[in-house]
Amino acid sequence: QQQVKQSPQSLIVQKGGISIINCAYENTAFDYFPWYQQFPGKGPALLIAIRPDVSEKKEGRFTISFNKSAKQFSLHIMDSQPGDSATYFCAARRTGANNLFFGTGTRLTVIP
Amino acid sequence: DAGVTQSPTHLIKTRGQQVTLRCSPKSGHDTVSWYQQALGQGPQFIFQYYEEEERQRGNFPDRFSGHQFPNYSSELNVNALLLGDSALYLCASSFLGTAYGYTFGSGTRLTVV
Repeated sequence: QQQVKQSPQSLIVQKGGISIINCAYENTAFDYFPWYQQFPGKGPALLIAIRPDVSEKKEGRFTISFNKSAKQFSLHIMDSQPGDSATYFCAARRTGANNLFFGTGTRLTVIP
Repeated sequence: DAGVTQSPTHLIKTRGQQVTLRCSPKSGHDTVSWYQQALGQGPQFIFQYYEEEERQRGNFPDRFSGHQFPNYSSELNVNALLLGDSALYLCASSFLGTAYGYTFGSGTRLTVV
């Protein structure tokens, strides 16, 4: 049973465009929602994270939008660059737990 | 600034064998969590070690066991290997037993034949 559902599975964006990756969850006990970026042969690296009391968080070109009532959150990458080409994972942590549930990943390709 | 170090990077084992994977956490971190990442999937939580004890465990059989040493480094042991154990095993370090601000290693690619 997938605790966090992620879409799309793959995404191709032109350089300079906006990349949008979506995630949805059912468990209302989730209280921390990070996004990770993974390059081939490397482990995931924390990109940005949000808590459910905030509707949006921005760090540079990366923005998380959070809709608590819809139990959805998304990652927006503005001015996408070829160097952003990687696999992106959303994740969630349940209150009181010390592990993350990851989505299935989105492979982003930014075309020059 | 040393990040998370995992060894070995690649490993090939035969079904039924046992394997030990190792992880040294990022400097300043005291908690180690292990995740299994199958090809094309997101990481799945195996267990977490903090203060040399297993604090939380995911949905993995007892064939998966671990240990944390006084210097915070950790080992993951898998007994009676199955073909389905083939995956990338990731170690994530953090602080004070939390899941915040994980730093992941590059992983150990285990292939069971």
